[in-house]
Amino acid sequence: DAGVIQSPRHEVTEMGQEVTLRCKPISGHNSLFWYRQTMMRGLELLIYFNNNVPIDDSGMPEDRFSAKMPNASFSTLKIQPSEPRDSAVYFCASSLEGASSNQPQHFGDGTRLSIL
Amino acid sequence: DAKTTQPNSMESNEEEPVHLPCNHSTISGTDYIHWYRQLPSQGPEYVIHGLTSNVNNRMASLAIAEDRKSSTLILHRATLRDAAVYYCILRDPYKAAGNKLTFGGGTRVLVKP
Repeated sequence: DAGVIQSPRHEVTEMGQEVTLRCKPISGHNSLFWYRQTMMRGLELLIYFNNNVPIDDSGMPEDRFSAKMPNASFSTLKIQPSEPRDSAVYFCASSLEGASSNQPQHFGDGTRLSIL
Repeated sequence: DAKTTQPNSMESNEEEPVHLPCNHSTISGTDYIHWYRQLPSQGPEYVIHGLTSNVNNRMASLAIAEDRKSSTLILHRATLRDAAVYYCILRDPYKAAGNKLTFGGGTRVLVKP
């Protein structure tokens, strides 16, 4: 079975450029999560969607970050303009959530982002 | 939100059991105990979860204290592939934010051949 697919795996770009990270969740999953991992702050939840609707974006650091989920099989996380402090590994995860469920989240292999 | 406390690191020899402790003294009655692990250069991976009773699956066992203030993840025979950071996370599925996973620092497990 295909897992969560993220692209690109690596991205190196200059400060000020727009960065778009992509995620394809596992087919049939109805919840999608974006996380960021840095040495200083560890793994942090940025935003999550349920049935393509953003439920909690309290982890999004600032207005330069935006996320969309136009359909059940695709999501993007965009940073515009990018800054060196955005350098991190960004993970996407998906799960099949229901009321009061404990379904595990399945993570992609991440996108390693470097902003010069 | 209830927090968890784990040792920063542990070492084990290959083929020996590994016991990873987690303290969660402020756990609520509806908090489930979840464990994830993160292998090098990979995303986190679900390991196991439980509420009150001990749980077993093909990856590990989870032993939960009677008062639920602590738990232990048990890897029965460590292999080199088990070298990873292991995260103990509390999750309340009945809360509005029950889908969220809050990762702490985890325990880095080193397996020696």
